[in-house]
Amino acid sequence: QVQLVESGGGVVQPGRSLRLSCAASGFTFSSHGMHWVRQAPGKGLEWVAVIWHDGGNEYYADSVKGRFTISRDNSKNTLYLQMNSLRAEDTAVYYCAREEETVAGTDYFGYWGQGTLVTVSS
Amino acid sequence: DIQTTQSPSSLSASVGDRVIITCRTSQNINNYLNWYQQKPGKAPKVLIYGASTLQTGVPSRFSGSGSGTDFTLTISSLQPEDFAVYYCQQTYRTPRWTFGQGTKVEIK
Repeated sequence: QVQLVESGGGVVQPGRSLRLSCAASGFTFSSHGMHWVRQAPGKGLEWVAVIWHDGGNEYYADSVKGRFTISRDNSKNTLYLQMNSLRAEDTAVYYCAREEETVAGTDYFGYWGQGTLVTVSS
Repeated sequence: DIQTTQSPSSLSASVGDRVIITCRTSQNINNYLNWYQQKPGKAPKVLIYGASTLQTGVPSRFSGSGSGTDFTLTISSLQPEDFAVYYCQQTYRTPRWTFGQGTKVEIK
C-alpha cells in the first residue's frame, strides 16, 4: 500500500535551517510529482512547493521562494524540503503529498503523509 | 494567483441533514477543482476530483458539481463521521495550486 512518512520536524530558532524528509513506499516513486503542503496551527492548508517526477522542475509559493528548496532522490524513494532562514510564520505541520494525474488532464493530491510539525521559536 | 473563496466558513447541522458547501474562484478554471476532508489531527483526504468525480472508496452521499467559477460539494445525508473541515482546491493555474479557506461542519 502507498505510504508517505515525513520526518525531520522539531523546534528551531528563527533564522536557522531544517531539512524535512518524506519516505515513500508502495508505489513507483519516480512516476509521480510530489508536493509539500503546510498548515499553521488552527489555520487552513497552504501549498508550499512541487517537484516534477524526474526532478526536472520545481516551483514554490511566494511565501517560501528563495528560502526553501524541494528536492528528491528517486533511488532512495525520498522527497526533501530544505528550509533556510526560518521565520515564526513558517510554524506549521508540513505534509508531503503525491500528485495524481487523471486521463481528463486534471490533477489532485491522492495520498498524504501524516505530517511533521515545525516550530520556529526563540 | 487564482483566489478560491469557500462559503460558509462554518456551519452547524444535524445527522441526516443535506449540507451544501460552495467554492467560488476568481477566474474560470473549467473543472480543475477538488474537494478534501480533514479530521482533527489527520491529513486531508480527497473526496472529489475534477469537480464531480468521486474518489474510489468515498461514500456516494458525497457529490460535487459545477464548472467555470462556481462549484458545490453536497453531502446528501450527513453522518456522524462527516463532521470535519472541508477544503476546495484549484489546480487550473499550476504551478500555483491554491486551497479555499475551509468550511468547518459541526454538530448542531
